Amino acid sequence: GAGVSQSPSNKVTEKGKDVELRCDPISGHTALYWYRQSLGQGLEFLIYFQGNSAPDKSGLPSDRFSAERTGGSVSTLTIQRTQQEDSAVYLCASSLGHGSYNEQFFGPGTRLTVL
Amino acid sequence: ILNVEQSPQSLHVQEGDSTNFTCSFPSSNFYALHWYRWETAKSPEALFVMTLNGDEKKKGRISATLNTKEGYSYLYIKGSQPEDSATYLCAVNKFYFGSGTKLNVKP
Repeated sequence: GAGVSQSPSNKVTEKGKDVELRCDPISGHTALYWYRQSLGQGLEFLIYFQGNSAPDKSGLPSDRFSAERTGGSVSTLTIQRTQQEDSAVYLCASSLGHGSYNEQFFGPGTRLTVL
Repeated sequence: ILNVEQSPQSLHVQEGDSTNFTCSFPSSNFYALHWYRWETAKSPEALFVMTLNGDEKKKGRISATLNTKEGYSYLYIKGSQPEDSATYLCAVNKFYFGSGTKLNVKP
């Protein structure tokens, strides 16, 4: 079936470079979420999009992080001037709506390694 | 930001053992709690969503309870199997996650 897909699956970059991570949500899902999991930590909320509303960016750790969602579908998470502490697994999820009871469907993640 | 805690951090059991883990959260401003199973090299998979105090959910050998007044949920696995080995995550109000309980079931 057409689940949530993410690309690339792995990304190795040098400190200071910019990276873009992509998420294709399930068709028809209006809500899209980005999370990251650093080594030994839980899932950390970064940002979510709901329909055409302004995104909730409250979880972004610094202004080096940004995300956009074009046409209410595909989303790109951009990290500028990457640092070693940005190394983590970045997960994307989508759901039918943003209600707290709506189930999230997760992608396989992008493992980012910053050297 | 909601502080969601899970315990234990990891658990090793023998095949056939029953086990349970805890998810604790602030009882104020609670809307919903989700349990997920995250197997290595796969995506987190939703198990249950629970909203009401006293909720109990069951799927096969796995069940969960919710106490919103005291701020906790228990996940139970009856007769653990090796395929149950995974990290079990809880999330409160959708995107406040605990750090998970890593379960290893030995054959």
